[in-house]
Amino acid sequence: DGGITQSPKYLFRKEGQNVTLSCEQNLNHDAMYWYRQDPGQGLRLIYYSQIVNDFQKGDIAEGYSVSREKKESFPLTVTSAQKNPTAFYLCASSTPGQPNTEAFFGQGTRLTVV
Amino acid sequence: GEDVEQSLFLSVREGDSSVINCTYTDSSSTYLYWYKQEPGAGLQLLTYIFSNMDMKQDQRLTVLLNKKDKHLSLRIADTQTGDSAIYFCAEQRGSARQLTFGSGTQLTVLP
Repeated sequence: DGGITQSPKYLFRKEGQNVTLSCEQNLNHDAMYWYRQDPGQGLRLIYYSQIVNDFQKGDIAEGYSVSREKKESFPLTVTSAQKNPTAFYLCASSTPGQPNTEAFFGQGTRLTVV
Repeated sequence: GEDVEQSLFLSVREGDSSVINCTYTDSSSTYLYWYKQEPGAGLQLLTYIFSNMDMKQDQRLTVLLNKKDKHLSLRIADTQTGDSAIYFCAEQRGSARQLTFGSGTQLTVLP
């Protein structure tokens, strides 16, 4: 079955450490996105990529980095520069070349800094 | 403030209709979406509407769009306990057509 997979589901990190969240899709989508979700604030866009080897900052990119070496994969690194990294992270993919760019979401990774 | 605004909470009794409201700001948005999120899970697309439409019905779901007022609503008929979740509206914007989300409305269905 086609879908988008995030791993791990839960992640714990010590302060000062970098951590990488995985996102893989087999939907053949060109575009991939990372969102951060905090209670009562909805989803905020961190980074997005429209095509392999290209990505752009979203609204809250500071303290995060991404890569897009393969169409299927869009890992997100939460660096030690991110001041408040504890959150629920959601990855999505879509086909922006079509008029309707419905986004498909993974099940999320809950990151907790301890 | 939020570019896309929703009220945070809504409670209804089982069997009643639920109406979740949303206002957005970008008049150039071509598509508007409603997503559902259950606890600890990702977002599931419920329905969407193209900006040149006023209404779209899909089984128990009815979407109304007032483009003049930039107001979007989602009506759920015969609300069930399984409908309890957070509902997000989102507008599509930008060159990558990325989605901008509201803060979500927590729907609680009471027996």
